[in-house]
Amino acid sequence: DQQVKQNSPSLSVQEGRISILNCDYTNSMFDYFLWYKKYPAEGPTFLISISSIKDKNEDGRFTVFLNKSAKHLSLHIVPSQPGDSAVYFCAAKRYSGAGSYQLTFGKGTKLSVIP
Amino acid sequence: DTAVSQTPKYLVTQMGNDKSIKCEQNLGHDTMYWYKQDSKKFLKIMFSYNNKELIINETVPNRFSPKSPDKAHLNLHINSLELGDSAVYFCASSQDWASGATNEQFFGPGTRLTVL
Repeated sequence: DQQVKQNSPSLSVQEGRISILNCDYTNSMFDYFLWYKKYPAEGPTFLISISSIKDKNEDGRFTVFLNKSAKHLSLHIVPSQPGDSAVYFCAAKRYSGAGSYQLTFGKGTKLSVIP
Repeated sequence: DTAVSQTPKYLVTQMGNDKSIKCEQNLGHDTMYWYKQDSKKFLKIMFSYNNKELIINETVPNRFSPKSPDKAHLNLHINSLELGDSAVYFCASSQDWASGATNEQFFGPGTRLTVL
């Protein structure tokens, strides 16, 4: 039961263009969404997040959009740079009881930025 | 100056053996986690510890046991290893798990476990 889905396993974009990575979720109890970036042989690193009460959050070249009615979020990277080439994971946070929170991750999308 | 470190980075062992993976964080965080990334690339939570108490225990076999000697360490012990245990295991930590903050988690570099 995939509660967080990233349907595109890979994406190729020309340097300087916009990269758009998509994520869908099914659980309405998620209250926060995060994007992580992962290079080979390294752990995921936090990139940007958005609360479920917002519809947009921007940080430099990275913007995350949330469409709560569609249960869809997207990460925009503009302009894309070769160093952005990595696997991007979408994650959703929800309260899981006894005062604890849980992150549920998507399968990841491999972004390749072509120079 | 590594924030979350894991040892070993690679671990190759035979079926039936018992092994441990160590994790340390120097961020002063309250909560630590173990994740498993399987061959299908899903990153799934296994355990989390807050102040030495287990607060999440997903449906993992009881052959897996987290051990936390102090707030900065969460080690993963695995008994009677099976072929299906082969995966990359990530340790992570976060601060202020109960406050409803972003709960950003900081990940270690991962331990690739191969069971032969």
